[in-house]
Amino acid sequence: AQSVTQLGSHVSVSEGALVLLRCNYSSSVPPYLFWYVQYPNQGLQLLLKYTTGATLVKGINGFEAEFKKSETSFHLTKPSAHMSDAAEYFCAVSGNTGTASKLTFGTGTRLQVTL
Amino acid sequence: EPEVTQTPSHQVTQMGQEVILRCVPISNHLYFYWYRQILGQKVEFLVSFYNNEISEKSEIFDDQFSVERPDGSNFTLKIRSTKLEDSAMYFCASSERRPYNSPLHFGNGTRLTVT
Repeated sequence: AQSVTQLGSHVSVSEGALVLLRCNYSSSVPPYLFWYVQYPNQGLQLLLKYTTGATLVKGINGFEAEFKKSETSFHLTKPSAHMSDAAEYFCAVSGNTGTASKLTFGTGTRLQVTL
Repeated sequence: EPEVTQTPSHQVTQMGQEVILRCVPISNHLYFYWYRQILGQKVEFLVSFYNNEISEKSEIFDDQFSVERPDGSNFTLKIRSTKLEDSAMYFCASSERRPYNSPLHFGNGTRLTVT
């Protein structure tokens, strides 16, 4: 069984400030981890993913995330927030077994960027 | 860039009625999914579909739900007798391979309102 916990349903940062969105996972098999972004009235768009290899992964729009197995975490960061980053962000986990065919999402974190 | 398209964008129906939500996945993708998001809650997996059959489904996907790929391009979700609690945003997604191996591409969703 797999689950994802996103701490903080709402995060507010000033433009230019560091963005940190937290995600912790639980998985009985080695996980594959994802961050998706949802802009208003749109579907979910993949920001980045971790499968194997380098634990620091870079995604689109300047976001990156680090897989920390010891902490079961996959936090999303961006050094400098932009107004266009305001959206809902979802962390998700998938098993890496041959039969895994679904993503399990967290409850989401709404990011607000203020001037 | 190819995208997943969903129609209609908004569907209103009365309790007990049947609804069909339609999706056109990306043409070279082999895996298809339906997810739903009840207002203010997490994105939940409903069903995955591969090789013309369901490969995995959640507890939510009971006998009231069915999926079909009738003509090689469309992928539909049918709810036979809608309930108030079926009101949600329904997202279709597709991927080239299993989600741990290739990203899911989501449509913009169909907002289903059951009155």
